[in-house]
Amino acid sequence: QQPVQSPQAVILREGEDAVINCSSSKALYSVHWYRQKHGEAPIFLMILLKGGEQKGHDKISASFNEKKQQSSLYLTASQLSYSGTYFCGTATGTASKLTFGTGTRLQVTL
Amino acid sequence: DARVTQTPRHKVTEMGQEVTMRCQPILGHNTVFWYRQTMMQGLELLAYFRNRAPLDDSGMPKDRFSAEMPDATLATLKIQPSEPRDSAVYFCASGLEGVTGRFFGEGSRLTVL
Repeated sequence: QQPVQSPQAVILREGEDAVINCSSSKALYSVHWYRQKHGEAPIFLMILLKGGEQKGHDKISASFNEKKQQSSLYLTASQLSYSGTYFCGTATGTASKLTFGTGTRLQVTL
Repeated sequence: DARVTQTPRHKVTEMGQEVTMRCQPILGHNTVFWYRQTMMQGLELLAYFRNRAPLDDSGMPKDRFSAEMPDATLATLKIQPSEPRDSAVYFCASGLEGVTGRFFGEGSRLTVL
């Protein structure tokens, strides 16, 4: 079953922060986050494993609450280059099958 | 700079024709995935391989689609016969299971007339 992402779309001014959420109805083993710009391939951002991980690099970080079967992606001090569609992918076991959410379209403006 | 390479980048064909898409995964990655992306369905997993063995192709219409990995440097996705509803962007991705995420190729945009 497909994870649910929220919000579906968000518009930010440069420098503002955003949070994108990913929820699953199933117990999760891992969550992946990807960003895709129009006409391009998805780019891997980070993977979080069960255990309540939190990860980050630069101004993009994420958390994983396995009890709530949720993950959140945090974008701070957004830049124009952050624009794109963000997808979470969830896995219920160590096997490699990911199910992707429907995506969150993020637009950063001047 | 290691990357997943896909060919062709664009393909326009007529209904009923055979289409073959090829993928060269990143050297050393032991998993390879084929995804299809459309506006309506989003990113769908069609098939995946671990150490060249097919593990799951439940997302693939078996009557017309087939996926193979003849060696560690080549994965193929074949559609025969193609139909207009197959029009989509097909992505190949590879990864090192349990270690990395998916690294996607640039995709093959297929249009079936």
